[in-house]
Amino acid sequence: AQRVTQPEKLLSVFKGAPVELKCNYSYSGSPELFWYVQYSRQRLQLLLRHISRESIKGFTADLNKGETSFHLKKPFAQEEDSAMYYCALSGLGSEKLVFGKGTKLTVNP
Amino acid sequence: DGGITQSPKYLFRKEGQNVTLSCEQNLNHDAMYWYRQDPGQGLRLIYYSQIVNDFQKGDIAEGYSVSREKKESFPLTVTSAQKNPTAFYLCASKARGNNQPQHFGDGTRLSIL
Repeated sequence: AQRVTQPEKLLSVFKGAPVELKCNYSYSGSPELFWYVQYSRQRLQLLLRHISRESIKGFTADLNKGETSFHLKKPFAQEEDSAMYYCALSGLGSEKLVFGKGTKLTVNP
Repeated sequence: DGGITQSPKYLFRKEGQNVTLSCEQNLNHDAMYWYRQDPGQGLRLIYYSQIVNDFQKGDIAEGYSVSREKKESFPLTVTSAQKNPTAFYLCASKARGNNQPQHFGDGTRLSIL
């Protein structure tokens, strides 16, 4: 079974501090992993995916197959990063996405 | 992402009434999805469709029905059998293939009167 766990419902940091949003997954095959973000009053949108190995808005995420994790990191948080973040998993060849329950990030001034 | 349009934005239902939520996409995506978003629950899959005239149940399909008569459209009906329909409903679509992201609409908030 596919499962995504985001252990923190809420995360609060100060502007300029590093931030890490945790994501652990359970899947026996090769996973496709994504981070989605939902800013206030905006639609849910893709932030990044593990296959791209890119940095978006200063965020990066590395797939660690040994620890079955895909944590989202940013070295210096900004107030505009405040949003709801969802980690999501798809099995290779599957058209379905399984979402974690989300972490609400608040960046304080 | 103006490619997916959900309507209406807000919807009110009386007890015992069926209601239909609209989802239209002009992205030429093959796959479409309906999710329910509740506080603290994340997104839960209701139904999805990979191709016209075909759809599959997701994790919480009871009390819901869908149709996929056109590639662009994937309406969701919340039936009177759904005991707790008050929620935020999100529609998404996706191009065929691996590592393709889902694109989401703005959502419909359904409330029971």
